[in-house]
Amino acid sequence: AQKITQTQPGMFVQEKEAVTLDCTYDTSDPSYGLFWYKQPSSGEMIFLIYQGSYDQQNATEGRYSLNFQKARKSANLVISASQLGDSAMYFCAMSRPNTGNQFYFGTGTSLTVIP
Amino acid sequence: NAGVTQTPKFRVLKTGQSMTLLCAQDMNHEYMYWYRQDPGMGLRLIHYSVGEGTTAKGEVPDGYNVSRLKKQNFLLGLESAAPSQTSVYFCASNRDSGHHNEQFFGPGTRLTVL
Repeated sequence: AQKITQTQPGMFVQEKEAVTLDCTYDTSDPSYGLFWYKQPSSGEMIFLIYQGSYDQQNATEGRYSLNFQKARKSANLVISASQLGDSAMYFCAMSRPNTGNQFYFGTGTSLTVIP
Repeated sequence: NAGVTQTPKFRVLKTGQSMTLLCAQDMNHEYMYWYRQDPGMGLRLIHYSVGEGTTAKGEVPDGYNVSRLKKQNFLLGLESAAPSQTSVYFCASNRDSGHHNEQFFGPGTRLTVL
């Protein structure tokens, strides 16, 4: 069963605009973590932001924020003031602490920032 | 700290050949993982380890073996490579079982099986 769903294969955003990348997840565990990673064309995986299942507030890291809606099982990434360097693949992931802390990854969203 | 390193970065194999991918981390992490990344499919877990001397199967373990003889190293072996194993392989490590811990990734190994 698909644990993480990213429904946007590709997204475009104008430079300096904000963009939201969607992520929904499926779990029956009460305790889990949600993560976003960036993969530029060079290939490395770069950690961006984390949200815990018990966190009351949405996580923020600089221009990145995570819109966490637990009842809807969604964890959307919001990038504000997009920059050309934000063009990359973005992956949503969920951790399962009782299974060797395995991560389930979505299929990714390719973001292109237009000058 | 070098973080997570992978050797080699690129490799081309013929069907039936064997090879070992080496992953090393210098962060004293307990948990280590091997993933494969294929176009349109995200990262899928092959095998993982929760400590020295332990290994466990992930989502797609067939055709692969692993060993964790030392805490800092995690080896991925292909005994008889097949074209379906053409992929980019990522190693990752995690400090422990805390669900707030991010996974740290190596740079990846691009493997082509002809």
